[in-house]
Amino acid sequence: GAVVSQHPSRVICKSGTSVKIECRSLDFQATTMFWYRQFPKQSLMLMATSNEGSKATYEQGVEKDKFLINHASLTLSTLTVTSAHPEDSSFYICSAGPSHERVDQPQHFGDGTRLSIL
Amino acid sequence: GQNIDQPTEMTATEGAIVQINCTYQTSGFNGLFWYQQHAGEAPTFLSYNVLDGLEEKGRFSSFLSRSKGYSYLLLKELQMKDSASYLCAVRRSNYQLIWGAGTKLIIKP
Repeated sequence: GAVVSQHPSRVICKSGTSVKIECRSLDFQATTMFWYRQFPKQSLMLMATSNEGSKATYEQGVEKDKFLINHASLTLSTLTVTSAHPEDSSFYICSAGPSHERVDQPQHFGDGTRLSIL
Repeated sequence: GQNIDQPTEMTATEGAIVQINCTYQTSGFNGLFWYQQHAGEAPTFLSYNVLDGLEEKGRFSSFLSRSKGYSYLLLKELQMKDSASYLCAVRRSNYQLIWGAGTKLIIKP
């Protein structure tokens, strides 16, 4: 079964709307979660690393005020796309892991959120 | 710098064997992963190598040579459902993954 749950799976909304995406680790405590974005026919692009109890680390070129990340607990990280515009339309994927107890385990991915801004 | 190379696209025949190569140059190696990604879906985990050698898991095997910065994913008895992109990723010491661009595998009948 899934070890990482991501919700919602699809969002269609108007330009200017803020959208929140949740990522939960189901079977383990994830002190670190990762947020990716993927445009059609392109590779995964890491946006930010989310650390429980501290500020997220953003990759170069990713606006931290645009993409708000909160990692309030060991099982939940959220990504909020603020004032979304059509160019923010993409496939957003979170991943979690490994736990510190099982460092040989891979990162597991949520099912992704397809965001479409009209 | 960090760099991972894998072929952009490969074509193989149903029932055959295909090998997808991945070469990497990264700092702080902490394991190499292969993921499968079907179009429009999130990646799913296939294999993990941290020591040199071959890891076999059913129809899929993965090999690693740390001294050469080289890995391959071997797919046997290819099925049409194996048509997907295959992503090679290296994990650094801080658990961050460095991703290859992926290899699109096309299976023909």
